[in-house]
Amino acid sequence: NAGVTQTPKFQVLKTGQSMTLQCAQDMNHEYMSWYRQDPGMGLRLIHYSVGAGITDQGEVPNGYNVSRSTTEDFPLRLLSAAPSQTSVYFCASSYRAGVGGYTFGSGTRLTVV
Amino acid sequence: AQSVTQLGSHVSVSEGALVLLRCNYSSSVPPYLFWYVQYPNQGLQLLLKYTTGATLVKGINGFEAEFKKSETSFHLTKPSAHMSDAAEYFCAVRGDFGNEKLTFGTGTRLTIIP
Repeated sequence: NAGVTQTPKFQVLKTGQSMTLQCAQDMNHEYMSWYRQDPGMGLRLIHYSVGAGITDQGEVPNGYNVSRSTTEDFPLRLLSAAPSQTSVYFCASSYRAGVGGYTFGSGTRLTVV
Repeated sequence: AQSVTQLGSHVSVSEGALVLLRCNYSSSVPPYLFWYVQYPNQGLQLLLKYTTGATLVKGINGFEAEFKKSETSFHLTKPSAHMSDAAEYFCAVRGDFGNEKLTFGTGTRLTIIP
């Protein structure tokens, strides 16, 4: 089925560990982004990409890295996990300009202990 | 930069009553506006969107929203609430042309009273 696929769905990390959250879409969308969702704060943009090879920072980029080597994939790397990064992470994609709306993955629930 | 304000973090309505969730936006250019719904432990699902054209937009599950430029509002309504409407609702704006970033409000949790 066409859409945005996120893996893993759940993850527990120890403080200081690193990991990569995977995001893949099969809709040939140029635009991809990562959000984190925290209670009472809505969704906040971490990083985004307007095409392969192009990435930029969002509202809360510290502690996260991204790369976009292909149109389909947009992984999010946590370099050294901290308890403040405990959150639910969503990946989203759209055609340029977002006219058709943004398609979201089902999320990754991350706990850092 | 664009922004969204959702008035009321929690809204409770009786089953069969009108649902009204408020959203005001700020954007320096004509905005694209969206409402998303999130059911417990699930991702976000697009309810409806306004890009250009008709200002009254109809979405899924009987919801609709009206874009009012003079009031910078995009309130979500449904004439008769159903128990299955209990969820969290997010308003979002894509602002400046060439800037695909989507900015979300903080969400409104809708509770339906039997």
